[in-house]
Amino acid sequence: DAGITQSPRYKITETGRQVTLMCHQTWSHSYMFWYRQDLGHGLRLIYYSAAADITDKGEVPDGYVVSRSKTENFPLTLESATRSQTSVYFCASSRNNIQYFGAGTRLSVL
Amino acid sequence: KQEVTQIPAALSVPEGENLVLNCSFTDSAIYNLQWFRQDPGKGLTSLLLIQSSQREQTSGRLNASLDKSSGRSTLYIAASQPGDSATYLCAAPSGAGSYQLTFGKGTKLSVIP
Repeated sequence: DAGITQSPRYKITETGRQVTLMCHQTWSHSYMFWYRQDLGHGLRLIYYSAAADITDKGEVPDGYVVSRSKTENFPLTLESATRSQTSVYFCASSRNNIQYFGAGTRLSVL
Repeated sequence: KQEVTQIPAALSVPEGENLVLNCSFTDSAIYNLQWFRQDPGKGLTSLLLIQSSQREQTSGRLNASLDKSSGRSTLYIAASQPGDSATYLCAAPSGAGSYQLTFGKGTKLSVIP
């Protein structure tokens, strides 16, 4: 089916480990985004990308790395996971100013 | 820096009631505003996008309005149903011409049968 697919849906890891969250879209939208959602903070932008090989920091980029070698993929990597990165992560793409969200990845860092 | 506020944080209404959800934003130099719905454990679904040139946008029982001069938007839900129970979030561009969105923390709506 067309849309945005995030994987894995659930992930448990330990502090200090590297974790990569995957995001794939089938629409070829230029803009893609990574958010985290936490109780009390709402949705916060981590990184975004305007096109392949163009990425920029959002509100809370520390501890995260992104890449976008192909238009359809926008992986998010936690270089050395910390407990404070326990959260629900959402990927989104945008066309005509409307953002379309994936189902999310629930990450727990123990 | 754009700030988006939604009040109340939670709302409970009996089925069939009409209701209004409120959203306020601090930077009125925006070209649109979006309303989203989020069901528990799910991603966000875009409900309505209002362009700054519009005053209102309608989709079925939903009607959203935008008043840039006062920094406010409202989402009106007519004849509420239990299936409308969800969290509703509004989002405004983070700055003039920005593709980034700043989200409110949402209003959790419960429609009681």
